[in-house]
Amino acid sequence: GAGVSQTPSNKVTEKGKYVELRCDPISGHTALYWYRQSLGQGPEFLIYFQGTGAADDSGLPNDRFFAVRPEGSVSTLKIQRTERGDSAVYLCASSLGQLNTEAFFGQGTRLTVV
Amino acid sequence: GENVEQHPSTLSVQEGDSAVIKCTYSDSASNYFPWYKQELGKRPQLIIDIRSNVGEKKDQRIAVTLNKTAKHFSLHITETQPEDSAVYFCAASRSGNNDMRFGAGTRLTVKP
Repeated sequence: GAGVSQTPSNKVTEKGKYVELRCDPISGHTALYWYRQSLGQGPEFLIYFQGTGAADDSGLPNDRFFAVRPEGSVSTLKIQRTERGDSAVYLCASSLGQLNTEAFFGQGTRLTVV
Repeated sequence: GENVEQHPSTLSVQEGDSAVIKCTYSDSASNYFPWYKQELGKRPQLIIDIRSNVGEKKDQRIAVTLNKTAKHFSLHITETQPEDSAVYFCAASRSGNNDMRFGAGTRLTVKP
């Protein structure tokens, strides 16, 4: 596609439920990032993929959060037993994966846990 | 890991004035410093970036300066216009790692 696509754009879920957020990166981009952005804050790093492997998952807040990228393209961020504090905009970005190249962001998924 | 701090959190200027936003970083190995602009409800978009082998870069009304010794870099916007109003984020990353860590953002308001 022309840009990074994230689905759904909005997700409302009940506390304790499981959610999956999807990211379709720009074709050919080997690097993929997940960030979480709370209102009035900068994007908070969650995890970074280079190809299929998670090169850095140090930003995942706890073991309820998990992300996969099985074929090195689409990625899914999975959140188990959601809590109200998980409510935020989840941003995905991709880049060519070469050193120090621009990351392009998707529009984000606004997750609301009620 | 890398820690990026950004100041000020809010900035209000008159149209035509200059705006300066400053960031500091903690990892001396960081060597790539992009700046992103995020308009309300929209995705962050890159406006300018600088690599550690240069001290300054300019693109029309926007410039970025980098001081590696002091580990800080700044965004300068001259002749500000109302459409410059947005939240601006700085970020830092390093070779071999390529993950970016962001500052908390600066909400810039340009008053006509």
